[in-house]
Amino acid sequence: DIQMTQSPSSLSASVGDRVTITCRASQSISSYLNWYQQKPGKAPKLLIYAASSLQSGVPSRFSGSGSGTDFTLTISSLQPEDFATYYCQQSYSTPQSFGQGTKLEIK
Amino acid sequence: QVTLKESGPALVKPTQTLTLTCTFSGFSLSTSGMRVSWIRQPPGKALEWLARIDWDDDKFYSTSLKTRLTISKDTSKNQVVLTMTNMDPVDTATYYCARALRPLNYFDYWGQGTLVTVSS
Repeated sequence: DIQMTQSPSSLSASVGDRVTITCRASQSISSYLNWYQQKPGKAPKLLIYAASSLQSGVPSRFSGSGSGTDFTLTISSLQPEDFATYYCQQSYSTPQSFGQGTKLEIK
Repeated sequence: QVTLKESGPALVKPTQTLTLTCTFSGFSLSTSGMRVSWIRQPPGKALEWLARIDWDDDKFYSTSLKTRLTISKDTSKNQVVLTMTNMDPVDTATYYCARALRPLNYFDYWGQGTLVTVSS
């Protein structure tokens, strides 16, 4: 099974900050890496698919990069609505797996 | 538009079997490339992928839970059913179903989730 490891587990930042979250796969997953945002009590929402493609309707301040085993999610200028938990997920092979999450909190 | 909704018991007793139904609209699971997965999330914890069923009836399971899980579909009713046997309090979680498409397999639509509590 492929293990996904995110860092950091939590992050404090201010509105307007640039933030980067990292995700590492235990083996190469090409570009089969997706990012989700989850707010309390809500289902996850797809932000980025195939490592760097922005899902329709997602603000352009969100971007993704990477391939192989190392990936990043960047938020260029944090907005109040961005404080949430972020998960990476590999869709290269089954069983599909998620990272442990990164909780983004207001500083 | 695409929607998915989970349904099932809110409370089950330890050792019982859980049966959850995902009822969807806006797509057909008989369409080539269509896939539906179940994913769960214990309170305050991370997402965990459980199982997937494909348009061609291929089925895939979590390695750690595969002996307890069964996934099936009723294409005519637009439903996917997940059963989990021998429930334990550690299985307390919100259970989601989600849609994906081959070949990229990302989850573009999710249900709202249903909280299942395992307690005697």
